[in-house]
Amino acid sequence: DADVTQTPRNRITKTGKRIMLECSQTKGHDRMYWYRQDPGLGLQLIYYSFDVKDINKGEISDGYSVSRQAQAKFSLSLESAIPNQTALYFCAASGEYNEQFFGPGTRLTVL
Amino acid sequence: QQQVKQSPQSLIVQKGGIPIINCAYENTAFDYFPWYQQFPGKGPALLIAIRPDVSEKKEGRFTISFNKSAKQFSLHIMDSQPGDSATYFCAASIMVAGRRALTFGSGTRLQVQP
Repeated sequence: DADVTQTPRNRITKTGKRIMLECSQTKGHDRMYWYRQDPGLGLQLIYYSFDVKDINKGEISDGYSVSRQAQAKFSLSLESAIPNQTALYFCAASGEYNEQFFGPGTRLTVL
Repeated sequence: QQQVKQSPQSLIVQKGGIPIINCAYENTAFDYFPWYQQFPGKGPALLIAIRPDVSEKKEGRFTISFNKSAKQFSLHIMDSQPGDSATYFCAASIMVAGRRALTFGSGTRLQVQP
């Protein structure tokens, strides 16, 4: 299912570097989300957006920023990456009941 | 109040067995309970969901049992197969300040042995 795509799929970077993760969706969903997944901790919400002008912080927004460039695009930035931001990052888009459709994920390693 | 507690953390069953994954919540305002299945290297995918006005929902070999009074819901996988080996997440959805929010459980790693 390629309704939600993410780039890059894998990224290795160094501490202090700025990183941007991109997300696009093709189903016209208004709501988009960024999650972080760490082993044993499930999915933690970083930011979410209900439309282009409506962006909200999630549970763990510190150290991250987002941009909703268009209805179909939602990017996540790490302004100055640190090692504990090493994780799997997922973008999602959702329908009315938050039945979320996830992208394939980006594996980020910060050295 | 927004937490969803999921157990067990991991589960191993033999092919044909019926793994059961349990979730519990506190906030009675949750009104939609989806389950997600995640294979290694893939994003989670919606598997099945239930609303609190029914006690059970079946889709193929997957069944959600819902106990509103106990604030618990569980996923049963009938005649489990090695291809069902994945991580399963429960979740609960709630309207907060006019907007819908989704809270995930911590996940259960299921291994179905041949």
